Amino acid sequence: KNQVEQSPQSLIILEGKNCTLQCNYTVSPFSNLRWYKQDTGRGPVSLTIMTFSENTKSNGRYTATLDADTKQSSLHITASQLSDSASYICVGDNQGGKLIFGQGTELSVKP
Amino acid sequence: KAGVTQTPRYLIKTRGQQVTLSCSPISGHRSVSWYQQTPGQGLQFLFEYFSETQRNKGNFPGRFSGRQFSNSRSEMNVSTLELGDSALYLCASSVGQSYNEQFFGPGTRLTVL
Repeated sequence: KNQVEQSPQSLIILEGKNCTLQCNYTVSPFSNLRWYKQDTGRGPVSLTIMTFSENTKSNGRYTATLDADTKQSSLHITASQLSDSASYICVGDNQGGKLIFGQGTELSVKP
Repeated sequence: KAGVTQTPRYLIKTRGQQVTLSCSPISGHRSVSWYQQTPGQGLQFLFEYFSETQRNKGNFPGRFSGRQFSNSRSEMNVSTLELGDSALYLCASSVGQSYNEQFFGPGTRLTVL
């Protein structure tokens, strides 16, 4: 069964601190792994897309890693800002055109 | 370049009614996908249209349907609304098929009373 599991479910950190969000995926056949950021009341915005051959990809202060052997991915946020408060969603693409979404990690950055 | 637009942004309906939501993709994008987002289930794939043809369909009942026009604009229809259909409906467009980078619209918030 295709599924994506994320942890933690929610996270509170202080402004300026780093954090890492986790994603375990079971997606077959596997095409790529995506991370999205969704602000409250808005549509998701793509942060990174990685194929199985890519180990890491950065987008500003966001760095995603992918381990295709263990089927794990992580999203690292460096020097967090208040505007990073959002839901972060891990998404698997199974080549069939159907995206499999994780439940998301709700990140709250406090001043 | 204008982003993905969805209309209306908010909608209130009663059980048994039907509703039509509209999505205008980014200019030049031929693929439009629809998603339902609820607090309990998260984001779930409804269907994808590419060049006016439905290419993929999620696990939703037949009450959920859609179509795409020659200008790539897409509509989604839900008939015989149920309370559980209350959700944020998102559409996303991409240049090619959905395995390309998708750009999401702001969504339509549907409330069924």
